[in-house]
Amino acid sequence: GENVEQHPSTLSVQEGDSAVIKCTYSDSASNYFPWYKQELGKRPQLIIDIRSNVGEKKDQRIAVTLNKTAKHFSLHITETQPEDSAVYFCAASGVYSGAGSYQLTFGKGTKLSVIP
Amino acid sequence: DSGVTQTPKHLITATGQRVTLRCSPRSGDLSVYWYQQSLDQGLQFLIQYYNGEERAKGNILERFSAQQFPDLHSELNLSSLELGDSALYFCASSDYRGVNTEAFFGQGTRLTVV
Repeated sequence: GENVEQHPSTLSVQEGDSAVIKCTYSDSASNYFPWYKQELGKRPQLIIDIRSNVGEKKDQRIAVTLNKTAKHFSLHITETQPEDSAVYFCAASGVYSGAGSYQLTFGKGTKLSVIP
Repeated sequence: DSGVTQTPKHLITATGQRVTLRCSPRSGDLSVYWYQQSLDQGLQFLIQYYNGEERAKGNILERFSAQQFPDLHSELNLSSLELGDSALYFCASSDYRGVNTEAFFGQGTRLTVV
């Protein structure tokens, strides 16, 4: 099955600096790569996603890049703010298990702390 | 509000007992996923259903089972509970219809085994 590795496990940045989180995946059949943010005690929520036919996607201060050849993708957060502090999960998804369904495999998460 | 409803929110039970966690997906979503999140751990995939059929299994223990009913709600059954089963259990649903899309998570059920 798919295996997703995520680094670093913890990341501390000063407010206003950039943060980068990197993930690698194992299965070349994966074609959808979402990023989720989970605040303490809350449910994971999608913040951005990218499909395999796109190399980069931006949404305000957040961007994701994908290198299909190398099987890695990254999350970039610019001008970080204290409210960006949370656990971020990357995931990889593809149709592995037959028509009409797909699996979503998560990395182990990165705890981002933005220091005011 | 994601539209995914999980009940109960909290559950405290003793070792050896059996519990059932319930998930109602977003209206129209055919896919339901169950994940386990232990303290400071990531999201461990347990099992996936699509339109009533099991489609994928992850690291789900034999003591755990799940099903998806005709009305698309799903239940995760945990039996012979152990202390190590204490965790946050998330259900997610998606509107997969040939194209991978966002999975929406419920608020989770926090299970404490004492």
